[in-house]
Amino acid sequence: AQTVTQSQPEMSVQEAETVTLSCTYDTSESDYYLFWYKQPPSRQMILVIRQEAYKQQNATENRFSVNFQKAAKSFSLKISDSQLGDAAMYFCAYRGSGSARQLTFGSGTQLTVLP
Amino acid sequence: GAGVSQSPRYKVAKRGQDVALRCDPISGHVSLFWYQQALGQGPEFLTYFQNEAQLDKSGLPSDRFFAERPEGSVSTLKIQRTQQEDSAVYLCASSSWTSGSYNEQFFGPGTRLTVL
Repeated sequence: AQTVTQSQPEMSVQEAETVTLSCTYDTSESDYYLFWYKQPPSRQMILVIRQEAYKQQNATENRFSVNFQKAAKSFSLKISDSQLGDAAMYFCAYRGSGSARQLTFGSGTQLTVLP
Repeated sequence: GAGVSQSPRYKVAKRGQDVALRCDPISGHVSLFWYQQALGQGPEFLTYFQNEAQLDKSGLPSDRFFAERPEGSVSTLKIQRTQQEDSAVYLCASSSWTSGSYNEQFFGPGTRLTVL
């Protein structure tokens, strides 16, 4: 079974600074997807960024980028120029490429942005 | 906007009561997922539908949990004889379906269930 581990329950960052959230995973599959989701207090889970395992290039979405290290099974999220609206719970998630389409989530990292 | 909606947003039940949680997916989305999110934890998969067919129910924690999607659209998650450990946020997600391809899951706001 796949597992996703987020070892940082809480992180804080100063507004306009950069922060990196860590995630490791375990799988025996060679092809899969990795995600970072943001969950604000409203509970609406919002997709931040996606990475396909077969792509060597790290995904980037505006201020959000990932560092995907397939051999190390590591998938960190970097938030640049942090904004107050970035404050939320962030979840790393895994999905295999086969028929099982459900997501496996980590336990989350609560990000606080300090003004 | 026509996103995923869930009702009720909050539900308080006395231990032993039955509850029904509703999910309205995005129109036309073939796939529908239910997840359970305990306080301070990440969501955990419960069950998956493709149209009206329940293809995977491996995450349902006990036979007190039952889900259905009779017409391939709206889905209901039913919990019988609720227990305190059932207290959680129940999230629904839907996606389109393309064979061998990635389809983004869109989440609803969840239903927070509190069992007293």
